[in-house]
Amino acid sequence: AIQMTQSPSSLSTSVGDRVTITCRASQGVLNHLGWFQQKPGKAPKLLIYAASTLQSGVPSRVSGSGSGTDFTLTISGLQAEDFATYYCLQDYSYPWTFGQGTKVEIK
Amino acid sequence: EVQLVESGGGLVQSGRSLRLSCTASGFTFTDYPMTWFRQAPGKGLEWVGLIRIRAYGGTTEFATSVKGRFTISRDDSKSIAYLQMNSLKIEDTAVYYCARDPAGWHSVWGQGTLVTVSS
Repeated sequence: AIQMTQSPSSLSTSVGDRVTITCRASQGVLNHLGWFQQKPGKAPKLLIYAASTLQSGVPSRVSGSGSGTDFTLTISGLQAEDFATYYCLQDYSYPWTFGQGTKVEIK
Repeated sequence: EVQLVESGGGLVQSGRSLRLSCTASGFTFTDYPMTWFRQAPGKGLEWVGLIRIRAYGGTTEFATSVKGRFTISRDDSKSIAYLQMNSLKIEDTAVYYCARDPAGWHSVWGQGTLVTVSS
């Protein structure tokens, strides 16, 4: 199975800051990488698919980059509604695997 | 409105079986594979498995942790995907989500249903 190593596991930041989360795959996944946001008690929400394509309705302050084994999710100008947990998911090969998650908290 | 609604969760004893349903509406169900995920309390997300569309044989894939115990089926006439869970273990306790194109442009997720396995 492909292992997805996500970092950091948590971070404390402020409204207006820029946040960067990384995911590293144990083997190449091309661009078969999605980023999700999840708030407590809610289903995950897709933010980015195909590593860098913004899902419809997601604000442009969210961006994704990378291919192969190294991927990045960036949120510029953090807003109050961005405080949540973020996950990466590779759907390149079975079993699909998630990163461990990054909890973004208010400083 | 495109929607997925899971149902069938509840409290079940270890070793027993439970079947979850994922009822789809607002789109052509037969065009999409359907995927199941789960999330144990306070833990991260885990992919459970998926079922392909009929044109691809309606075949399935599963996570190692559930292979041989869980099956997925679909009733295209009713727009429902099922997750049959047998020989349940305490570690299967989780919120179970179904999804359409979970990491793609057509991504839709259900709200989840809680399964609690007791000893």
